[in-house]
Amino acid sequence: DTGVSQNPRHKITKRGQNVTFRCDPISEHNRLYWYRQTLGQGPEFLTYFQNEAQLEKSRLLSDRFSAERPKGSFSTLEIQRTEQGDSAMYLCASSALGGTNTEAFFGQGTRLTVV
Amino acid sequence: GNSVTQMEGPVTLSEEAFLTINCTYTATGYPSLFWYVQYPGEGLQLLLKATKADDKGSNKGFEATYRKETTSFHLEKGSVQVSDSAVYFCALSDRGGSEKLVFGKGTKLTVNP
Repeated sequence: DTGVSQNPRHKITKRGQNVTFRCDPISEHNRLYWYRQTLGQGPEFLTYFQNEAQLEKSRLLSDRFSAERPKGSFSTLEIQRTEQGDSAMYLCASSALGGTNTEAFFGQGTRLTVV
Repeated sequence: GNSVTQMEGPVTLSEEAFLTINCTYTATGYPSLFWYVQYPGEGLQLLLKATKADDKGSNKGFEATYRKETTSFHLEKGSVQVSDSAVYFCALSDRGGSEKLVFGKGTKLTVNP
Protein backbone atom coordinates (compact mmCIF):
# COMPACT_ATOMS: atom_id res chain seq x y z
CA ASP A 1 0.00 0.00 0.00
CA THR A 2 1.47 3.31 -1.06
CA GLY A 3 -0.57 5.54 1.24
CA VAL A 4 -3.50 7.84 0.62
CA SER A 5 -3.96 8.66 -3.04
CA GLN A 6 -5.85 11.65 -4.40
CA ASN A 7 -6.81 12.39 -7.97
CA PRO A 8 -6.47 14.61 -9.81
CA ARG A 9 -3.56 16.51 -8.29
CA HIS A 10 -4.58 19.71 -10.00
CA LYS A 11 -7.87 20.91 -11.45
CA ILE A 12 -8.63 24.18 -13.19
CA THR A 13 -12.28 24.83 -13.88
CA LYS A 14 -14.49 27.67 -14.96
CA ARG A 15 -16.86 29.24 -12.50
CA GLY A 16 -20.20 27.47 -12.51
CA GLN A 17 -18.84 24.08 -13.55
CA ASN A 18 -19.06 20.95 -11.43
CA VAL A 19 -15.93 19.13 -10.29
CA THR A 20 -15.35 15.79 -8.60
CA PHE A 21 -12.29 14.65 -6.67
CA ARG A 22 -11.39 11.12 -5.66
CA CYS A 23 -9.60 9.80 -2.59
CA ASP A 24 -8.31 6.26 -2.17
CA PRO A 25 -7.45 5.71 1.50
CA ILE A 26 -5.06 3.18 2.98
CA SER A 27 -6.86 -0.11 2.44
CA GLU A 28 -7.45 -1.21 6.02
CA HIS A 29 -8.50 2.23 7.25
CA ASN A 30 -12.17 2.60 8.04
CA ARG A 31 -12.07 6.32 8.83
CA LEU A 32 -11.86 8.91 6.07
CA TYR A 33 -11.75 12.70 6.33
CA TRP A 34 -11.88 15.60 3.90
CA TYR A 35 -10.23 18.92 4.71
CA ARG A 36 -9.84 22.18 2.79
CA GLN A 37 -6.72 24.32 2.97
CA THR A 38 -6.46 27.85 1.63
CA LEU A 39 -3.25 29.79 1.17
CA GLY A 40 -1.60 30.69 4.45
CA GLN A 41 -4.08 28.75 6.54
CA GLY A 42 -4.15 25.38 8.20
CA PRO A 43 -6.44 22.64 6.91
CA GLU A 44 -10.11 22.97 7.92
CA PHE A 45 -12.33 19.95 8.49
CA LEU A 46 -15.10 19.36 5.97
CA THR A 47 -16.54 15.91 6.58
CA TYR A 48 -15.92 12.48 8.12
CA PHE A 49 -16.83 8.93 7.13
CA GLN A 50 -16.68 5.81 9.21
CA ASN A 51 -16.84 3.00 6.68
CA GLU A 52 -19.61 4.06 4.27
CA ALA A 53 -21.49 6.24 6.77
CA GLN A 54 -21.01 10.01 6.67
CA LEU A 55 -21.12 10.80 10.38
CA GLU A 56 -20.10 14.43 10.57
CA LYS A 57 -20.23 17.48 8.31
CA SER A 58 -18.78 20.92 8.96
CA ARG A 59 -20.80 24.09 8.54
CA LEU A 60 -18.20 24.90 5.88
CA LEU A 61 -19.78 22.22 3.69
CA SER A 62 -22.41 24.18 1.81
CA ASP A 63 -25.26 22.59 -0.15
CA ARG A 64 -23.07 22.72 -3.26
CA PHE A 65 -20.70 20.20 -1.72
CA SER A 66 -21.44 16.49 -1.48
CA ALA A 67 -19.24 13.61 -0.45
CA GLU A 68 -19.75 9.89 -0.75
CA ARG A 69 -17.99 6.71 0.24
CA PRO A 70 -20.27 4.13 -1.30
CA LYS A 71 -18.53 0.90 -0.37
CA GLY A 72 -16.49 2.11 2.54
CA SER A 73 -13.37 2.23 0.41
CA PHE A 74 -12.68 5.19 -1.92
CA SER A 75 -14.47 8.50 -1.49
CA THR A 76 -15.52 11.28 -3.84
CA LEU A 77 -16.05 14.96 -3.12
CA GLU A 78 -18.19 16.86 -5.62
CA ILE A 79 -18.57 20.60 -5.83
CA GLN A 80 -21.46 21.87 -7.91
CA ARG A 81 -21.63 25.31 -9.53
CA THR A 82 -18.09 26.17 -8.46
CA GLU A 83 -17.30 29.68 -7.24
CA GLN A 84 -13.95 31.46 -7.09
CA GLY A 85 -14.03 31.13 -3.32
CA ASP A 86 -13.85 27.36 -3.73
CA SER A 87 -10.26 27.66 -4.95
CA ALA A 88 -8.20 25.76 -2.40
CA MET A 89 -6.27 22.56 -1.73
CA TYR A 90 -8.61 19.69 -0.87
CA LEU A 91 -7.00 17.12 1.40
CA CYS A 92 -8.08 13.62 2.21
CA ALA A 93 -6.91 11.67 5.24
CA SER A 94 -7.56 8.19 6.54
CA SER A 95 -7.02 6.39 9.82
CA ALA A 96 -7.87 3.19 11.60
CA LEU A 97 -10.60 3.05 14.19
CA GLY A 98 -9.42 1.66 17.51
CA GLY A 99 -6.20 -0.20 18.07
CA THR A 100 -2.92 1.28 19.19
CA ASN A 101 -2.22 3.47 16.17
CA THR A 102 -4.96 5.83 15.06
CA GLU A 103 -2.65 8.24 13.24
CA ALA A 104 -4.26 10.10 10.35
CA PHE A 105 -2.38 9.76 7.06
CA PHE A 106 -2.84 12.49 4.50
CA GLY A 107 -2.83 12.42 0.73
CA GLN A 108 -1.00 15.04 -1.31
CA GLY A 109 -4.20 16.87 -2.04
CA THR A 110 -6.08 18.15 -5.07
CA ARG A 111 -5.45 21.80 -5.87
CA LEU A 112 -8.58 23.40 -7.31
CA THR A 113 -8.42 26.69 -9.18
CA VAL A 114 -11.70 28.27 -10.23
CA VAL A 115 -11.31 30.89 -12.96
CA GLY B 1 -15.29 25.44 20.04
CA ASN B 2 -11.81 23.98 19.89
CA SER B 3 -9.04 26.12 18.44
CA VAL B 4 -5.27 26.23 18.03
CA THR B 5 -3.09 29.33 17.95
CA GLN B 6 0.48 29.02 16.80
CA MET B 7 3.32 31.42 16.29
CA GLU B 8 3.08 33.15 12.97
CA GLY B 9 6.01 32.97 10.65
CA PRO B 10 7.94 32.96 8.65
CA VAL B 11 10.85 31.90 10.80
CA THR B 12 14.36 32.01 9.34
CA LEU B 13 17.26 30.39 11.17
CA SER B 14 20.83 29.44 10.47
CA GLU B 15 21.84 25.81 10.52
CA GLU B 16 22.44 24.46 14.06
CA ALA B 17 20.33 27.19 15.67
CA PHE B 18 17.75 26.40 18.36
CA LEU B 19 14.13 26.30 17.26
CA THR B 20 10.96 27.04 19.20
CA ILE B 21 7.53 27.32 17.60
CA ASN B 22 4.85 28.26 20.11
CA CYS B 23 1.43 26.61 20.12
CA THR B 24 -1.47 27.12 22.50
CA TYR B 25 -4.89 25.59 22.36
CA THR B 26 -8.45 25.98 23.58
CA ALA B 27 -10.48 22.83 24.02
CA THR B 28 -13.20 21.23 26.05
CA GLY B 29 -12.02 18.11 27.78
CA TYR B 30 -8.58 16.65 27.23
CA PRO B 31 -7.59 16.60 23.58
CA SER B 32 -4.73 14.80 21.91
CA LEU B 33 -2.09 17.18 20.54
CA PHE B 34 -0.04 16.89 17.37
CA TRP B 35 2.59 18.54 15.26
CA TYR B 36 2.36 17.92 11.53
CA VAL B 37 5.00 18.92 8.97
CA GLN B 38 4.60 19.71 5.30
CA TYR B 39 7.80 19.60 3.26
CA PRO B 40 7.83 21.44 -0.09
CA GLY B 41 5.77 19.55 -2.66
CA GLU B 42 4.68 16.86 -0.21
CA GLY B 43 1.63 16.02 1.86
CA LEU B 44 1.15 16.54 5.58
CA GLN B 45 3.07 14.10 7.77
CA LEU B 46 2.71 13.47 11.46
CA LEU B 47 5.86 14.64 13.24
CA LEU B 48 4.96 13.86 16.84
CA LYS B 49 2.04 13.61 19.22
CA ALA B 50 1.06 13.53 22.88
CA THR B 51 -2.17 12.17 24.25
CA LYS B 52 -2.20 13.28 27.88
CA ALA B 53 -0.86 15.95 30.20
CA ASP B 54 2.91 15.96 30.74
CA ASP B 55 3.47 13.52 27.87
CA LYS B 56 6.44 14.41 25.68
CA GLY B 57 6.29 13.61 22.00
CA SER B 58 9.57 13.33 20.14
CA ASN B 59 10.78 12.46 16.66
CA LYS B 60 13.74 13.38 14.43
CA GLY B 61 15.23 15.56 17.19
CA PHE B 62 11.99 17.53 17.64
CA GLU B 63 10.19 17.55 20.99
CA ALA B 64 6.98 18.96 22.42
CA THR B 65 5.47 18.56 25.89
CA TYR B 66 1.72 18.58 26.60
CA ARG B 67 1.26 21.31 29.22
CA LYS B 68 -2.27 21.30 30.55
CA GLU B 69 -1.71 24.16 33.00
CA THR B 70 -0.63 26.53 30.23
CA THR B 71 -2.66 24.80 27.45
CA SER B 72 0.49 24.70 25.34
CA PHE B 73 2.39 22.30 23.11
CA HIS B 74 5.48 24.18 21.96
CA LEU B 75 7.73 22.56 19.36
CA GLU B 76 11.50 22.61 19.99
CA LYS B 77 14.64 21.35 18.33
CA GLY B 78 18.11 21.92 19.63
CA SER B 79 19.96 22.15 16.33
CA VAL B 80 18.07 22.63 13.06
CA GLN B 81 19.26 21.47 9.66
CA VAL B 82 18.59 22.78 6.19
CA SER B 83 16.44 19.70 5.60
CA ASP B 84 14.06 20.86 8.38
CA SER B 85 12.83 23.70 6.15
CA ALA B 86 9.08 23.14 5.92
CA VAL B 87 5.72 24.35 7.19
CA TYR B 88 4.83 23.13 10.68
CA PHE B 89 1.23 22.79 11.89
CA CYS B 90 0.07 22.35 15.47
CA ALA B 91 -3.23 20.47 15.78
CA LEU B 92 -5.58 18.89 18.30
CA SER B 93 -8.27 16.28 18.21
CA ASP B 94 -11.00 15.38 20.64
CA ARG B 95 -10.85 11.82 21.83
CA GLY B 96 -13.91 9.82 20.92
CA GLY B 97 -16.29 10.75 18.14
CA SER B 98 -14.75 11.57 14.78
CA GLU B 99 -11.37 12.60 16.23
CA LYS B 100 -11.17 15.20 13.50
CA LEU B 101 -8.14 17.48 13.59
CA VAL B 102 -8.28 21.21 14.31
CA PHE B 103 -5.17 22.93 12.94
CA GLY B 104 -3.31 26.14 13.58
CA LYS B 105 -2.41 28.36 10.65
CA GLY B 106 1.06 26.92 10.21
CA THR B 107 4.56 28.31 10.63
CA LYS B 108 6.96 28.34 7.72
CA LEU B 109 10.53 27.55 8.74
CA THR B 110 13.50 28.26 6.51
CA VAL B 111 16.92 27.07 7.60
CA ASN B 112 19.91 28.60 5.81
CA PRO B 113 23.29 26.87 5.56
